[in-house]
Amino acid sequence: EAGVAQSPRYKIIEKRQSVAFWCNPISGHATLYWYQQILGQGPKLLIQFQNNGVVDDSQLPKDRFSAERLKGVDSTLKIQPAKLEDSAVYLCASSAYRGQGTEAFFGQGTRLTVV
Amino acid sequence: SQQGEEDPQALSIQEGENATMNCSYKTSINNLQWYRQNSGRGLVHLILIRSNEREKHSGRLRVTLDTSKKSSSLLITASRAADTASYFCATDARTNAGKSTFGDGTTLTVKP
Repeated sequence: EAGVAQSPRYKIIEKRQSVAFWCNPISGHATLYWYQQILGQGPKLLIQFQNNGVVDDSQLPKDRFSAERLKGVDSTLKIQPAKLEDSAVYLCASSAYRGQGTEAFFGQGTRLTVV
Repeated sequence: SQQGEEDPQALSIQEGENATMNCSYKTSINNLQWYRQNSGRGLVHLILIRSNEREKHSGRLRVTLDTSKKSSSLLITASRAADTASYFCATDARTNAGKSTFGDGTTLTVKP
């Protein structure tokens, strides 16, 4: 089965610019996650979707970050405007359902560098 | 703050030796998962252990869970150079099923 697809793999932007990341989850997976992973740290959940509804966005900096999952399949994560501290790897993951013992499958991530 | 904290932060061993990594957490959990991340790549799920389980095996991996101490350990036996990676524990808190909170990981280096 195809894995979680993310694009682009790498992105370099200047601060105050905007950027968007795209994720295509595993077919049939209802739950989609966006994580931010700063170098040397573990992934931090930004937002969790169940189909096209938001389940948890408590750690999403809503003044600059936005995400959507139209039609409950693909998702985009946007940052506008970017700050230096947004430099990180943005990981998308999906799982078959939301609940106990749910294994998440991760994409390879988008490495963002803000200069 | 992160729910899980791994210990040690870094571990270096020779090929063939065993590697043990520990994870401590703060709140009651439904289950705990271990993931591996190779440099520059996404995370790969290794094993899940539920709160009512004490030990689980998968190939050369052995995971234990002690809910009274709020801790888990991951043992990799007969390590190989290909095991070089970062290992993360992720906990699913009882209060938010489906949301995994990751620690900052243990970086394992296996020298050939």
